[in-house]
Amino acid sequence: QQQVKQSPQSLIVQKGGISIINCAYENTAFDYFPWYQQFPGKGPALLIAIRPDVSEKKEGRFTISFNKSAKQFSLHIMDSQPGDSATYFCAATPGTYKYIFGTGTRLKVLA
Amino acid sequence: GAGVSQTPSNKVTEKGKYVELRCDPISGHTALYWYRQSLGQGPEFLIYFQGTGAADDSGLPNDRFFAVRPEGSVSTLKIQRTERGDSAVYLCASSPNRDNNVLTFGAGSRLTVL
Repeated sequence: QQQVKQSPQSLIVQKGGISIINCAYENTAFDYFPWYQQFPGKGPALLIAIRPDVSEKKEGRFTISFNKSAKQFSLHIMDSQPGDSATYFCAATPGTYKYIFGTGTRLKVLA
Repeated sequence: GAGVSQTPSNKVTEKGKYVELRCDPISGHTALYWYRQSLGQGPEFLIYFQGTGAADDSGLPNDRFFAVRPEGSVSTLKIQRTERGDSAVYLCASSPNRDNNVLTFGAGSRLTVL
């Protein structure tokens, strides 16, 4: 019940394409859902986050779609660029410090 | 500091040795966290400090792991009698306070136990 399942494990997208990464959770107490971006040798950096009272949040080329009834949320990267190539982690927390992370998606955007 | 600073960035040690990993959080952040990231996995929670005290150490895998934050700023993660399974990247994060759970991570300390 504490798991966050993330897919796909890896993703290859052409430059300018849309990258979509999906996550699913079971614990209905989760109320904060961040996405983190991690480059090799660096720590995870907060990209965008959503709370369950909204179904979508957009920041620049990055959008989170949230489906509370299905207990799923996804990250969409529009107009994907080679500089977006990184590992992306979804996470969830019941309003506390104890984040539950997904297993990560390695994104490669081809030039 | 401007960000969360962790030292060393890389540590190679032999099985059975003792290691210390240091974290310097963002200035003014009272909440500090340690996570562990194994190869190909997402970070896993180890311990949370609010000020000087360990508010939650439920993620520490066993009693070989210990962490301190004596003055409410810098924290040290201590691992005794290291085992090969301890090899991972140890990430430190901080947040402004317990009510603001937006974590800012450091670059991590990569521990390799031979």
